[in-house]
Amino acid sequence: DQQVKQNSPSLSVQEGRISILNCDYTNSMFDYFLWYKKYPAEGPTFLISISSIKDKNEDGRFTVFLNKSAKHLSLHIVPSQPGDSAVYFCAASVGGKLIFGQGTELSVKP
Amino acid sequence: DVKVTQSSRYLVKRTGEKVFLECVQDMDHENMFWYRQDPGLGLRLIYFSYDVKMKEKGDIPEGYSVSREKKERFSLILESASTNQTSMYLCASSLYAGSNYNEQFFGPGTRLTVL
Repeated sequence: DQQVKQNSPSLSVQEGRISILNCDYTNSMFDYFLWYKKYPAEGPTFLISISSIKDKNEDGRFTVFLNKSAKHLSLHIVPSQPGDSAVYFCAASVGGKLIFGQGTELSVKP
Repeated sequence: DVKVTQSSRYLVKRTGEKVFLECVQDMDHENMFWYRQDPGLGLRLIYFSYDVKMKEKGDIPEGYSVSREKKERFSLILESASTNQTSMYLCASSLYAGSNYNEQFFGPGTRLTVL
């Protein structure tokens, strides 16, 4: 039973355009949501987070939006750069643990 | 900077061998975690620990055990390695056991191949 889902395994975007990565969840008890970025042969690194009481959090080129009624969050990257090419995982926090989605591989083409 | 280190980046073992994966964090974090990452499945939690000598099963504990004798060190043990345990293993740590906010810091991973 997948509580956190990323339904797009891959996404390809042109450099300079917007990248939108999506994530759906089922558990209303999640209190924080986090996005991680992972390059091949490296561990995931934290990117940005949002509390369940907020609907938007912004950090430079990265913005996360939370729609609690739809149980949906999205990560916007504007403008996209070739160095953003990586696998992105969304994660939800509950009870001291993180539950991860399957990941979306983003490819930003020059 | 938080540093989480894992003993090996790449490991090749034979079926039936006992395998030890070691993880050390240097920031006095209370929580430590072991995940495996497989294509299309994301990160799946194997075991975690909130304190020394404490351990909790995650979502896929079968075939694995763990040991946490010191706060900074969390070991994952494959009692008898099998080919379906070929995977990327990731260790992570986070600060507070009682916090609602649980940013986890990850090690570089160990790519384990079981032949």
